[in-house]
Amino acid sequence: RKEVEQDPGPFNVPEGATVAFNCTYSNSASQSFFWYRQDCRKEPKLLMSVYSSGNEDGRFTAQLNRASQYISLLIRDSKLSDSATYLCVVNLSGYSTLTFGKGTMLLVSP
Amino acid sequence: DTAVSQTPKYLVTQMGNDKSIKCEQNLGHDTMYWYKQDSKKFLKIMFSYNNKELIINETVPNRFSPKSPDKAHLNLHINSLELGDSAVYFCASSSTGEGEKLFFGSGTQLSVL
Repeated sequence: RKEVEQDPGPFNVPEGATVAFNCTYSNSASQSFFWYRQDCRKEPKLLMSVYSSGNEDGRFTAQLNRASQYISLLIRDSKLSDSATYLCVVNLSGYSTLTFGKGTMLLVSP
Repeated sequence: DTAVSQTPKYLVTQMGNDKSIKCEQNLGHDTMYWYKQDSKKFLKIMFSYNNKELIINETVPNRFSPKSPDKAHLNLHINSLELGDSAVYFCASSSTGEGEKLFFGSGTQLSVL
């Protein structure tokens, strides 16, 4: 089992749609979780952290289920500018490196 | 006033050559990294330096040698380049205690012919 697995893409959605990405991680000792965004031919950028209680940032909602070792990202009211690859990222306690998933590509069309 | 800058942006070279990629950050961070993103878009850590000291060295061929002259710079030298080295190499930095908030450079696209 891969350390961090994500939904295969691409996800093609129309503007205004709601889309959800899922991610599972294999190491139950993982302590912190994040979503990064990577535009085509650009560097990854931190989108948001994921907390056990769930957290929201505008149209973006992230949730964590430690029992199932599962992380999700929900994007409401999709915009054209949301088109990118979304990377699920996990950090082990005591380590200073992040483990990245392969990413899920989102394409939002007019 | 780019936060993490790496050069060159593109590097095209022949097999067997030696090349270097430079990275500098002006964020005052004390930890710097090299990541490799292959053709399948998988982003993987190669090295991590904290205050010029190597703290992470993943399973990378010893043809790859990082060097950190000071905590704002982390360069990557690659000897005897191979076809399989073709990838995008990203430099990144973070602050101690905030290792999850990585700031990446714009990447160096390395093509080995």
